[in-house]
Amino acid sequence: KAGVTQTPRYLIKTRGQQVTLSCSPISGHRSVSWYQQTPGQGLQFLFEYFSETQRNKGNFPGRFSGRQFSNSRSEMNVSTLELGDSALYLCASSSEYNSPLHFGNGTRLTVT
Amino acid sequence: DQQVKQNSPSLSVQEGRISILNCDYTNSMFDYFLWYKKYPAEGPTFLISISSIKDKNEDGRFTVFLNKSAKHLSLHIVPSQPGDSAVYFCAASWGNYGQNFVFGPGTRLSVLP
Repeated sequence: KAGVTQTPRYLIKTRGQQVTLSCSPISGHRSVSWYQQTPGQGLQFLFEYFSETQRNKGNFPGRFSGRQFSNSRSEMNVSTLELGDSALYLCASSSEYNSPLHFGNGTRLTVT
Repeated sequence: DQQVKQNSPSLSVQEGRISILNCDYTNSMFDYFLWYKKYPAEGPTFLISISSIKDKNEDGRFTVFLNKSAKHLSLHIVPSQPGDSAVYFCAASWGNYGQNFVFGPGTRLSVLP
């Protein structure tokens, strides 16, 4: 089975711009979660989607949003980028509740 | 307020010996726990899980122990190999709706040949 695929791997954006990150989960996985990893804060939960519905949301401002499509692929959008948004954004998929998350290799976002 | 703590930022172990990575949590509602390892420039790789109805789970060289009364879990790697050198994260979740995991800050393991 193919793993979780995230595109692009690297992005450089300017403050104030917006960005969209993409994630294709493992085939058959209906849950997709997004995490932000920074050196100071570690891995922080952004949100989780299941069957096109946001099921959980972390403590991030409304500039961070996401969606899931009928084929379980997911996108994450960050508007009005700030320097502090520079981070590794990780997508993970899982098959059901209380099952392991399987992560992609992430998108490294740099905001200048 | 960190709900999941890994108090050792780093650990060095000789090849062939046992590596013990520790994790403490504060939320007694957590009922499912995961361990991951992460290499630079890659996403975390799932290693092993344990639910709160068990106190031990084994998978090859990896064993996870859960002490619910102490709110403590540990990952044992026996024998340790140089390829195990990576950052290890524990993660915890609770509730019956959704996959919202809280991750610890990680422990960097170095296995010395």
